[in-house]
Amino acid sequence: TQLLEQSPQFLSIQEGENLTVYCNSSSVFSSLQWYRQEPGEGPVLLVTVVTGGEVKKLKRLTFQFGDARKDSSLHITAAQPGDTGLYLCAGGGSNYKLTFGKGTLLTVNP
Amino acid sequence: ETGVTQSPTHLIKTRGQQVTLRCSSQSGHNTVSWYQQALGQGPQFIFQYYREEENGRGNFPPRFSGLQFPNYSSELNVNALELDDSALYLCASSLTGLRTEAFFGQGTRLTVV
Repeated sequence: TQLLEQSPQFLSIQEGENLTVYCNSSSVFSSLQWYRQEPGEGPVLLVTVVTGGEVKKLKRLTFQFGDARKDSSLHITAAQPGDTGLYLCAGGGSNYKLTFGKGTLLTVNP
Repeated sequence: ETGVTQSPTHLIKTRGQQVTLRCSSQSGHNTVSWYQQALGQGPQFIFQYYREEENGRGNFPPRFSGLQFPNYSSELNVNALELDDSALYLCASSLTGLRTEAFFGQGTRLTVV
């Protein structure tokens, strides 16, 4: 069974601070996706990484896929209240399903 | 281009009843997957439909069933509802061949009482 562990589970920071959340697995994934989900809404895709060692930037968000394609990180620079939400990582394989972590609930206080 | 839409947005059912949830996939997408998200958890894969046939299933009992229609829209049916079925049900559409990148609808919040 493929599992994805996310850490930390909860994170509360002040506006302007930097943060990193992690997504780790003992399994290899062919791709890894990061989503942000707001209460009562569906997850919104932020990025997909597919190559070991790949780094992608989306404005203040930086995503990295581990060399062995088993782990990933999301770094947010100068967090803003609008970044508040549940951040989910999801591993995809050559099969049909996404395996999700439990998520990191981020609160950015003004 | 229209996104993934789900209906209804909220639903309250009684234990033992049956429920049908609906999903319209994103324009151009031929594959639909359903996920269950319990409170405080990540989404769990229920099953996927491609070309109107089930194309993979997660660890859910047979009382969870589905359909996909020629226009790629889909239904999730749950029979003999249990209290633990209370969750956010998410539909995701994707284009087979483009890895498993999926785009989600807003979900249906099902409460079983």
